[in-house]
Amino acid sequence: SQKIEQNSEALNIQEGKTATLTCNYTNYSPAYLQWYRQDPGRGPVFLLLIRENEKEKRKERLKVTFDTTLKQSLFHITASQPADSATYLCALAYYGGSQGNLIFGKGTKLSVKP
Amino acid sequence: DTGVSQDPRHKITKRGQNVTFRCDPISEHNRLYWYRQTLGQGPEFLTYFQNEAQLEKSRLLSDRFSAERPKGSFSTLEIQRTEQGDSAMYLCASSLAPAGAPRSEQFFGPGTRLTVL
Repeated sequence: SQKIEQNSEALNIQEGKTATLTCNYTNYSPAYLQWYRQDPGRGPVFLLLIRENEKEKRKERLKVTFDTTLKQSLFHITASQPADSATYLCALAYYGGSQGNLIFGKGTKLSVKP
Repeated sequence: DTGVSQDPRHKITKRGQNVTFRCDPISEHNRLYWYRQTLGQGPEFLTYFQNEAQLEKSRLLSDRFSAERPKGSFSTLEIQRTEQGDSAMYLCASSLAPAGAPRSEQFFGPGTRLTVL
C-alpha cells in the first residue's frame, strides 16, 4: 500500500541547534514534495517545494533534500529558535495522482527550548 | 487581508443536523481544495475544484458530503445528517495553476472546527 511517514511524532532540541525532520514514502512515484508548517488551531503554511529531479532546496535557515533512491526527504532548520516550534508536515504529489491531491504525513511536532 | 478565509471558525451541532461551511479563496486563484484534519493527523484530501468544475472527490467524501463552487469564486461544503465521526477541522486551500500545469503550493485558510455532539 502507499504510505507517507514522518518518523518522529515529536522532536525536542535546544535553541541554536539544527533540527532535522524526516519524511519517508513507499509505493509512490513522486512528482514533488512540499513542506508545511502548522501552528495549533491554524491552517498549514507553505514553506518549501522540491521536485523529483532536484537534490536540495534552500530558503533562509531552511533546507530540504530529496533522495528518490532512498524514498526520503529531509527538512533542516539551522540555528533553530523557540519561534520555530510548531508541527511540520510533509506532503507529496505523485505521478498517477490527480492534479489536486496532496498526500500529507502526520507531521512532526518540533519544540525548540531556549 | 487577502488570504483564504473560512466561515464559521467553529461549529457545534447535534448528530443528525446539517451544516454548511464557506470558503473564500485568494481572489485570483483558480483551484480550491477541501481537506479534513483530525487530531494528530495530517490533512486528508476531500475534493478540489478547477474554477467551477469539481474535478475529483476522495472516497472519504460520502454521499452525505457535497461541495460546490458555483461561480468559480467561493465554495461551500455541506454535511448532511452529521455523525460524531464527522468531528474534525475542515480546511480549505487555494492555488493558482493553469489547467494541466504541475501542482503548486497551496494556501490554506484557518479552518472550521466542527464538533458533533
